[in-house]
Amino acid sequence: GESVGLHLPTLSVQEGDNSIINCAYSNSASDYFIWYKQESGKGPQFIIDIRSNMDKRQGQRVTVLLNKTVKHLSLQIAATQPGDSAVYFCAEELSGGYNKLIFGAGTRLAVHP
Amino acid sequence: ETGVTQSPTHLIKTRGQQVTLRCSSQSGHNTVSWYQQALGQGPQFIFQYYREEENGRGNFPPRFSGLQFPNYSSELNVNALELDDSALYLCASSLRQGANEQFFGPGTRLTVL
Repeated sequence: GESVGLHLPTLSVQEGDNSIINCAYSNSASDYFIWYKQESGKGPQFIIDIRSNMDKRQGQRVTVLLNKTVKHLSLQIAATQPGDSAVYFCAEELSGGYNKLIFGAGTRLAVHP
Repeated sequence: ETGVTQSPTHLIKTRGQQVTLRCSSQSGHNTVSWYQQALGQGPQFIFQYYREEENGRGNFPPRFSGLQFPNYSSELNVNALELDDSALYLCASSLRQGANEQFFGPGTRLTVL
């Protein structure tokens, strides 16, 4: 079936440490994956994306890794800051006429000073 | 460039009532998608509108319906409200049908009593 799930519901890190948030997806036909950050009372905010023909993509302080063999996605945040505290969602996009995002339940990242 | 806006911010209704939520897409975006996000969960795709027509639908009953207007703004209508309809309703716009990146609005928090 269609599902995108996350391994860890809550992740606590110290400020300055690196964070890794993991995600498993089930649809091998998906060709686009996105990480969103959602702060309390706000809509999801795009962080970084990756297409299925890539296995790594880097942004500013963030890196997304895609392992299609095991259908696994991860988000790495370098030098985590208090402003990174939020819920992070991975989403899988099924194309084919329209774009439907399938979200996981989310991982809450708590950054401690 | 104006981002995605939604109205109202919060809304309280009672069971059996009807509700209309509104969304203005980001400037230049012609595709709008609606998502329902229950508390503590990831967003669930309701449907997508392109050129004023629904062109994709998730697993939601017919009492969830929508409209898209010539200026690409959109409405989500829910009839015969149920308690389980209480959620954050998110609108997302994208540059065109098939464009991957979707930009989310802040959402409308609907409470059904």
